[in-house]
Amino acid sequence: GAGVSQSPSNKVTEKGKDVELRCDPISGHTALYWYRQSLGQGLEFLIYFQGNSAPDKSGLPSDRFSAERTGGSVSTLTIQRTQQEDSAVYLCASSPRRGYEQYFGPGTRLTVT
Amino acid sequence: TQLLEQSPQFLSIQEGENLTVYCNSSSVFSSLQWYRQEPGEGPVLLVTVVTGGEVKKLKRLTFQFGDARKDSSLHITAAQPGDTGLYLCAQSTFYGGSQGNLIFGKGTKLSVKP
Repeated sequence: GAGVSQSPSNKVTEKGKDVELRCDPISGHTALYWYRQSLGQGLEFLIYFQGNSAPDKSGLPSDRFSAERTGGSVSTLTIQRTQQEDSAVYLCASSPRRGYEQYFGPGTRLTVT
Repeated sequence: TQLLEQSPQFLSIQEGENLTVYCNSSSVFSSLQWYRQEPGEGPVLLVTVVTGGEVKKLKRLTFQFGDARKDSSLHITAAQPGDTGLYLCAQSTFYGGSQGNLIFGKGTKLSVKP
């Protein structure tokens, strides 16, 4: 079946602009995660959605970051007033249940110039 | 605060050599997963271990889960250039009586030279 997809695959933006990153999880997976990965580094947790429950936003680095998940499926991560330190690969993952195996998308490489 | 440490951070070896990488936690975990990430791609799940002392084999890869459920190792026999990548371990712990989020280590970056 189809895996997790993300778009765009690459995004170059100017400092101060807003960006939206999209994630389409595996159908039927109720848990959805966003992570950030700087060059060669591990995964930094950003936000977690589970069904219709309130999201766990504890990993968002600032109030410039927000995310939503519509209809329990597609999710959008929005970064407002981008800064150069926001440059990273943003990964989305879905899982059938919290704490279980996660299936990752290919990521969106964001470059802020 | 849960800490998940992986070692070594970097490893560069020749094709055909054996290697072991380690994952150690400050907390007992309910399950642990190993992922491999190749450049430009998302991490891909290799294995999940849930039982203390458990050993799982995946071709040339052997995964071991410590008896105390606080550590794990990945051993690769006769490494090949295709094994090159970032190896990540991730643990899940119980939180409030249910499964918490996965916590990822920083990974071991493996390079296998032909």
